[in-house]
Amino acid sequence: DAKTTQPNSMESNEEEPVHLPCNHSTISGTDYIHWYRQLPSQGPEYVIHGLTSNVNNRMASLAIAEDRKSSTLILHRATLRDAAVYYCILRAGTQGGSEKLVFGKGTKLTVNP
Amino acid sequence: SQTIHQWPATLVQPVGSPLSLECTVEGTSNPNLYWYRQAAGRGLQLLFYSVGIGQISSEVPQNLSASRPQDRQFILSSKKLLLSDSGFYLCAWSVRGAHYESHDSPLHFGNGTRLTVT
Repeated sequence: DAKTTQPNSMESNEEEPVHLPCNHSTISGTDYIHWYRQLPSQGPEYVIHGLTSNVNNRMASLAIAEDRKSSTLILHRATLRDAAVYYCILRAGTQGGSEKLVFGKGTKLTVNP
Repeated sequence: SQTIHQWPATLVQPVGSPLSLECTVEGTSNPNLYWYRQAAGRGLQLLFYSVGIGQISSEVPQNLSASRPQDRQFILSSKKLLLSDSGFYLCAWSVRGAHYESHDSPLHFGNGTRLTVT
């Protein structure tokens, strides 16, 4: 499985932007980049995913490097409810390979009021 | 809309006792189904996944097993629990269609079962 590397923890202040980095230097051309987050005592929640182009949705933006070896999840205005563990995951875009989704340790985001 | 049900929410079991956790999905057909475990302070560990009835892939050899008796039902079992089986167990599903759709389909998680083995 292609691996990802994320910082163990990050801090942010409320209403400020947050940039959560993820390195995936061994990514293959068919791997999709997925982001999930897990609030305390809950199951993970899908945030966003992309392949090559930057992506935006109501929750966040995903900026993907031109060489695809890294990506950044952007929360435009952090709120206290954004405090969670954020996981960056690679999902194979090949037949028979995309069913398996392996989570790393993620980044624990603390949002200060 | 699709929903996933997982029960019970919490469970306390003695060492050596059996285990059965059930997960059902509504509102979709032929989903991929997953069991994950999260030990205290640890990341999510993929235990089993299934792409169809009776098709189970095991990721971690251990005293747990999984079964998929129906399309939208996924069961996690153990004949004899160990202390190390304590953790937060999560069931998840994703769309399974043509292969090029799977990577585009996010996982949807249940609320989890917190298992304490004493």
